[in-house]
Amino acid sequence: DVKVTQSSRYLVKRTGEKVFLECVQDMDHENMFWYRQDPGLGLRLIYFSYDVKMKEKGDIPEGYSVSREKKERFSLILESASTNQTSMYLCASSLFETQYFGPGTRLLVL
Amino acid sequence: KNEVEQSPQNLTAQEGEFITINCSYSVGISALHWLQQHPGGGIVSLFMLSSGKKKHGRLIATINIQEKHSSLHITASHPRDSAVYICAVGYNTDKLIFGTGTRLQVFP
Repeated sequence: DVKVTQSSRYLVKRTGEKVFLECVQDMDHENMFWYRQDPGLGLRLIYFSYDVKMKEKGDIPEGYSVSREKKERFSLILESASTNQTSMYLCASSLFETQYFGPGTRLLVL
Repeated sequence: KNEVEQSPQNLTAQEGEFITINCSYSVGISALHWLQQHPGGGIVSLFMLSSGKKKHGRLIATINIQEKHSSLHITASHPRDSAVYICAVGYNTDKLIFGTGTRLQVFP
């Protein structure tokens, strides 16, 4: 079974803090994704990585950056957290168009 | 840009009822996905289909390529089917475009 894990289930941070969300997959997938999910808006793609050190902006990259130094690990960085980044963050990896999701991190920015 | 629309947004049902959730999209696709998200967040893939119909247990997914429409059916619904069901489309890449989801509640 594919396993995608995320570093935290719940996180509370203060405005202006730098926040790191980590995602690890164990199936050697090349493609990895970071999404945020907000009520009424569905899943929106923040960043996509198709190989180590390769990344592509998604639909809402502003305020975020990513790092992929190893194939199994894809990190999402909030450079300076703001209250409008309070959301559920989901990581996924994929093979042949099927995406495998992590459990999600619910981030609250105060 | 492809738009993915789901209906209804919310659905309540009594245990045992037959349920249908609809998904329509605007541009030709390579595959359509149905996913399930239980309270707590985790999302699992139910089906990926590019034509016809697929069945898994009490779940049936159909797609009509000409009409750009797909349906997810649940037969003999059960409270454990309560979840958000999400439709997503892909076009020859692993990137997907997601609908906003249908929240289903099945009461005993």
